Amino acid sequence: QSALTQPPSASGSPGQSVTISCTGTSSDVGGYNFVSWYQQHPGKAPKLMIYEVSKRPSGVPDRFSGSKSGNTASLTVSGLQAEDEADYYCSSYAGTNILGVFGTGTKVTVL
Amino acid sequence: QITLKESGPTLVKPTQTLTLTCTFSEFSLSTSGVGVGWIRQPPEKALEWLALIYWNDDKRYRPSLKSRLTITKDTSKNQVVLTMTNMDPVDTATYYCAHTGGYYKVDYWGPGTLVTVSS
Repeated sequence: QSALTQPPSASGSPGQSVTISCTGTSSDVGGYNFVSWYQQHPGKAPKLMIYEVSKRPSGVPDRFSGSKSGNTASLTVSGLQAEDEADYYCSSYAGTNILGVFGTGTKVTVL
Repeated sequence: QITLKESGPTLVKPTQTLTLTCTFSEFSLSTSGVGVGWIRQPPEKALEWLALIYWNDDKRYRPSLKSRLTITKDTSKNQVVLTMTNMDPVDTATYYCAHTGGYYKVDYWGPGTLVTVSS
């Protein structure tokens, strides 16, 4: 059960968009539409931003969107704001009898 | 408003057993589909699932740590307890308690508790 692969870092200027990839296998990301994304500010617990690939929980701005193609899921943050600077983690369901798997994490910097 | 909170020692010695308690409110762990689990994050590293217990007492463990982990629930006290034996300095991490309504979507997190393993 290996971690999902994310780029270590991503950046953009205020108002721009940034997209983070999350690559797994056909046993996790590619096999199910149960990919979630979490935002984590320093010293804080993660916060659910996207679930089931592209759904947003109540209260999450529509600047955050998710998608999936094959074994790779993506999170796009449009109209970057200073408060979007954080670490982002993807996660995927991987089957009935095993735990879910997290990604390696991506640090997003707002320039 | 669902809340979860972790409690337990902040410092343990190598080889000791760690016992962490998650106390939660505003939901029941006897409700179908609900799970409570433990996720840890070593300093400056990624999140990783450790264990999960479902409403029906079904349990899942991280394969590489399965021999060291035990997760139990006390529905009447609204608590979930994780024990990890033979602690090692590499187990130093922030440990989070987490609520999931299914498919490992964590919609509520505890604030986390930093556990340091050192002699």
